[in-house]
Amino acid sequence: EAGVTQFPSHSVIEKGQTVTLRCDPISGHDNLYWYRRVMGKEIKFLLHFVKESKQDESGMPNNRFLAERTGGTYSTLKVQPAELEDSGVYFCASSQEPYPPSPLHFGNGTRLTVT
Amino acid sequence: RKEVEQDPGPFNVPEGATVAFNCTYSNSASQSFFWYRQDCRKEPKLLMSVYSSGNEDGRFTAQLNRASQYISLLIRDSKLSDSATYLCVVKLRGLMGKSTFGDGTTLTVKP
Repeated sequence: EAGVTQFPSHSVIEKGQTVTLRCDPISGHDNLYWYRRVMGKEIKFLLHFVKESKQDESGMPNNRFLAERTGGTYSTLKVQPAELEDSGVYFCASSQEPYPPSPLHFGNGTRLTVT
Repeated sequence: RKEVEQDPGPFNVPEGATVAFNCTYSNSASQSFFWYRQDCRKEPKLLMSVYSSGNEDGRFTAQLNRASQYISLLIRDSKLSDSATYLCVVKLRGLMGKSTFGDGTTLTVKP
């Protein structure tokens, strides 16, 4: 079974530029999550898709972040315009829900550096 | 107060040692509990789920105390390959459950 894949693995951009991160979940996993870890902090939830619908986006930091999952397959997370504090590792995860509560399968992450 | 708090660590132990990590959570609606392991610059990977009755997987034992809102992970006979950061993860009940992570506890096993 192919795991969760993320692209790119690394991205270095300048402040004010736009970056789009992509996540391909495990096939058949309706639930897709975005998380991020900024330097020295814990991994924090950003949002949760069930199929193409945003189930919970309470963790999105501000309106510079836009996540989409058209067709309920892969997802993109766009940061526009990027700021220095957006630097960190962005993880995507998928899970097979709803019952039993199932664990998250993570992608390798995208390491974003905003200079 | 953080929703999930872990032992700050780091833990430095010799090979063969037994080490225990603790984790507390604040939301009593939490339903699912996991320990993840994260190697340096890698993604978190599931180590084990934590069940109400406690569960064991080889050298690893997980315990859950719902009354005290407390989870533990015990590693026996530590190996060099156990060196990693261990993340306590708590998930709310139901379809809308998002997972909340602790800061992680770093373990280094030395020869």
